[in-house]
Amino acid sequence: EDKVVQSPLSLVVHEGDTVTLNCSYEVTNFRSLLWYKQEKKAPTFLFMLTSSGIEKKSGRLSSILDKKELFSILNITATQTGDSAVYLCAVRAPINTGTASKLTFGTGTRLQVTL
Amino acid sequence: DTEVTQTPKHLVMGMTNKKSLKCEQHMGHRAMYWYKQKAKKPPELMFVYSYEKLSINESVPSRFSPECPNSSLLNLHLHALQPEDSALYLCASSQDRGLNSPLHFGNGTRLTVT
Repeated sequence: EDKVVQSPLSLVVHEGDTVTLNCSYEVTNFRSLLWYKQEKKAPTFLFMLTSSGIEKKSGRLSSILDKKELFSILNITATQTGDSAVYLCAVRAPINTGTASKLTFGTGTRLQVTL
Repeated sequence: DTEVTQTPKHLVMGMTNKKSLKCEQHMGHRAMYWYKQKAKKPPELMFVYSYEKLSINESVPSRFSPECPNSSLLNLHLHALQPEDSALYLCASSQDRGLNSPLHFGNGTRLTVT
């Protein structure tokens, strides 16, 4: 069974701090790893990673994948109170028939940024 | 706001009621998904439709019945639900089978079963 584990489960930091969120996985037929940010409703897409060692960056957020060690990290620099959310890691794999794919989520990291 | 629209936003229903959740996207995506999310838990996959055909049913009880009338619409019909079915129901879509494209989620329907 596919497995995605995130750490830490929760984190409280001060505004301006840098944080690193971790995601490890065990997935058959891995295709990609995705990061989402969820505040109160819809998970919003952040990054999709398919290749090892290539950093993806968007503003203060960045992420990288290590397919050999089966993990990814999400970095947030100069955190702001608006970064407070649950950050979800998910891994994509095709189903056996090849007609569709599954996205399996980790339990998430709850980040709280305080003033 | 997202490009995947779900209605209603909130729904309260009794255990003997029949109701439907609706999801619509106009991004030309050909795969659509239903996820269930309990409080402080990650989303759990329920169903996947690919090119309007049901591709994955994650052993969901028959009181949940999905329907994909066309490539833009996805419904979830509810009947004889239990209180433990109360959750946030998220719809999502992706291009094709989505192996190289992300899922885009709607804001969800918060369902309470009394």
